[in-house]
Amino acid sequence: QITLKESGPTLVKSTQTLTLTCTFSGFALRTSGEGVGWIRQPPGKALEWLALIYWDDDKRYSPALKSRFTITKDTSKNQVVLTMTNMDPVDTATYYCAHRADGRNYFDYWGQGTLVTVSS
Amino acid sequence: QSALTQPPSASGSPGQSVTISCTGTSSDVGGYNYVSWYQQHPGKAPKLMIYEVNKRPSGVPDRFSGSRSGNTASLTVSGLQAEDEADYFCCSFAGSNNLYVFGTGTKVTVL
Repeated sequence: QITLKESGPTLVKSTQTLTLTCTFSGFALRTSGEGVGWIRQPPGKALEWLALIYWDDDKRYSPALKSRFTITKDTSKNQVVLTMTNMDPVDTATYYCAHRADGRNYFDYWGQGTLVTVSS
Repeated sequence: QSALTQPPSASGSPGQSVTISCTGTSSDVGGYNYVSWYQQHPGKAPKLMIYEVNKRPSGVPDRFSGSRSGNTASLTVSGLQAEDEADYFCCSFAGSNNLYVFGTGTKVTVL
């Protein structure tokens, strides 16, 4: 059974850097085809895809946010880390990590999400 | 890349059907067979309901169906039940540079 869980600070200040960790189980990110993505959702608003890392360490980012985001993985710990620089109050959102189905283009398992508030 | 366009709300009585549209472009919805739909109850994580336009994951009731015509995808919920009241988001693959684009979301109300 695949599970994912996000962790990190719940409150950060403007201009600070945010680091979120996704710890997963039930699959190995070293297996061909596997991927883990990050998606966020501001309160009361729509989902927004942020970044994805593949089993072979290929990384993709939303063009609108690419300059501020870095996604990495630690396969020995079954973790994926998302780092976001220069945080702003508009980045206040629930951040989800999700499993990208093997070789497919959809997210079949999601973490519970973690709400991050950015104060000015 | 702009978000896919969905109606803000849709509603129906128990037992009726409701259809939600998701309009994109030929660079996303119309260009790939990779449209997915997610159901989200308040305070919960999204749940995959439809993938690859019209396929249902194991465990999703067959009351949920997906389709596409040109640059518009649709999700139909037949035989509405109280537990179907939720927000629904579509998502499309959008190419190798901007992988995924989500829809604006639709709140479904069961009257």
